[in-house]
Order: sequence, then C-alpha cells, then structure tokens
Amino acid sequence: GAVVSQHPSRVICKSGTSVKIECRSLDFQATTMFWYRQFPKQSLMLMATSNEGSKATYEQGVEKDKFLINHASLTLSTLTVTSAHPEDSSFYICSARTGEFTGELFFGEGSRLTVL
Amino acid sequence: AQSVTQPDIHITVSEGASLELRCNYSYGATPYLFWYVQSPGQGLQLLLKYFSGDTLVQGIKGFEAEFKRSQSSFNLRKPSVHWSDAAEYFCAVGAENYGQNFVFGPGTRLSVLP
Repeated sequence: GAVVSQHPSRVICKSGTSVKIECRSLDFQATTMFWYRQFPKQSLMLMATSNEGSKATYEQGVEKDKFLINHASLTLSTLTVTSAHPEDSSFYICSARTGEFTGELFFGEGSRLTVL
Repeated sequence: AQSVTQPDIHITVSEGASLELRCNYSYGATPYLFWYVQSPGQGLQLLLKYFSGDTLVQGIKGFEAEFKRSQSSFNLRKPSVHWSDAAEYFCAVGAENYGQNFVFGPGTRLSVLP
C-alpha cells in the first residue's frame, strides 16, 4: 500500500524559533496532502489542505502566517511552525491522497513538537 | 455537512472478550466510511473501509464493521480482543467529491484488561 513518511518524529525547540516538518509520499504522487493537529486525547483537527503547486487552503481559525505550508513537489509537503510558542506544542499528522478519488487517505506517523 | 459521533469515549474490556465500538454519521448521500486505529504517539492505521456493496466489511487484525443505512451506523466489532488492541479508534466519513478531507469522530479509547 501507499506509504507516507513524516520527519522528524519528535522535535524540541526553544520558544521563538521555527520548526519544519516534512511529509513525503514514498511510493506514489500525492496531489493533495492534509495537515492535522491533534491535542492529547482528542481527535484530529484539520489545519490545512495542501495542493501541489498552489497555495494551501487553511481552515478557519488557523493562522496561515504561523503555520506555513509548502507543497513544492508531488511527493513532498512541509509544515513550518514559525516563531513557535509553548501553546504550539502538539502532535502534527499529515495525510495524502493520490490524484483520483480512491476514497482513502494515507497517514504519516506523526510529529511530536515540544516548544520550551 | 458531514458529522461523525462516537458515543463511547472510553471502553474497557477483558482480553478474550468481544468488542463493539459504535459510530454514527450524518451525511446526505452514500457515505464512504472508515475505521482507523492509533497507538500512542503514532499515526493512523486503516482497519477497514466501506464504499459500497456488502454491508459487512472485513478488515485487518480480525476486525469487522457493519454498515446500517437505516441506523446511520458503522459499528466496529471484534469477537475476541487481544491486549495489543488497546489503542484509540477513530471512525471517519469521506465525501464522494473528495474536495474535502475526511470528517473524524472524536475517538474511542480502548483499554484491555489481562
């Protein structure tokens, strides 16, 4: 099956720094990728939809200047948390789908961000 | 708009006992339904999915789910739970136009007693 890989799996940074998380589709081309945030013991909250070669579409309430998303190729999308603060600490997960609708999303392993 | 409810926040069962996790959805057309499992600190793994056809769907790890249109439900079942099944389970609904993401339920945490 399709594989989606996230890196890094864990990252700790100081407040005020920026952190980049990568999401790669390893064996398929992902025209669309999704970024989620998951708080402890809660469900996934969609942050934005990333389409290759175009600007990301952000969900209401998500700061686009805080969470920069780039989808420069069909196999890579990146999420950059800019000027991170402790409240940005969370588990971030990406998912991807292939070009045509197959009804399935493929999920990355998630990235745990801790901001000190 | 689509919505998904999972009435049980936390369920505890004994190892070897049967399991049923409930999922109800709201969607105007035929839904695409999914169950995912998430172990602590991990991503989501697809257990099974329903698109059309046979309403009883078999998945991995001995799980199955039944789509009941009249009840707007897609409950997950397993006849005999193993300790390794302890995890968080999410039901999700997808849209045919697929311009949008899935809608996830709030999740049900499963604990397994030895």
